[in-house]
Amino acid sequence: QQQVKQSPQSLIVQKGGISIINCAYENTAFDYFPWYQQFPGKGPALLIAIRPDVSEKKEGRFTISFNKSAKQFSLHIMDSQPGDSATYFCAASNSRNYGQNFVFGPGTRLSVLP
Amino acid sequence: SAVISQKPSRDICQRGTSLTIQCQVDSQVTMMFWYRQQPGQSLTLIATANQGSEATYESGFVIDKFPISRPNLTFSTLTVSNMSPEDSSIYLCSVVNPGQGVTDTQYFGPGTRLTVL
Repeated sequence: QQQVKQSPQSLIVQKGGISIINCAYENTAFDYFPWYQQFPGKGPALLIAIRPDVSEKKEGRFTISFNKSAKQFSLHIMDSQPGDSATYFCAASNSRNYGQNFVFGPGTRLSVLP
Repeated sequence: SAVISQKPSRDICQRGTSLTIQCQVDSQVTMMFWYRQQPGQSLTLIATANQGSEATYESGFVIDKFPISRPNLTFSTLTVSNMSPEDSSIYLCSVVNPGQGVTDTQYFGPGTRLTVL
C-alpha cells in the first residue's frame, strides 16, 4: 500500500516533443505528490508538486496531471530539450502525518535527442 | 528553500573501514533524512534523524552499521561502519521544510558518492 509505481523505466524523446511519465499509488492518505529531477552526480531537485485539490498544475514547460479517482498522476514535459535529459522520480506523502516518509517511485531515465 | 551541503562529495575507502558523512543545512529544520541510492536505482530511506532523540531506522538498516548523530537543528552525520563493497552507493541527506504548518517540500543535498574496494 506504500508503493508508488512509475512508468516507463526509460524514455527517449526527440527535441521539441512531449515527454510523459506516469505514476500510480494505492494509499488514499497520500495528499502531496512531488516530482524530482536528478542529473548524474547530483542530488534530486524538486521540480513541481501537486495536491489533490486540483487536477492540474503547470509551471513553464512542466505540467502535472492528477486523477484522484484513479489514484494516478503524471508529468508532462512540453517542448522537451536535451537539457531535460535526467532521471525523474515521482513521490507521494501524507503531509498531515508529520514525519511521514516520502515514498519514491523507481525513476524514469529520460533522454532527449537533439 | 533550504540549501544543503555534504562532505565529502566522494570517497574511495578500503573494506573494513568506516566513513562519516556530514550534512549541513543553512537553516534550522526539525526533520532530516538519510537515503541510500545505489547506481541506477531509486532512493531508499536509511533513517530519520530528529534533534534530541534517537534516529529511527528503516527495515534492513541498523544503528551499529549506520550510526547517526543530530547534535543540533542544522547538522547531522551518518557513519557507514565496517564497510564492504556492497556499501558502495550514493548517500544523500534531505530535510523537510515545514511550510504553513504542514510537512511538504523535501530538499536534498548533493550526495556523497562512496566506493568501497
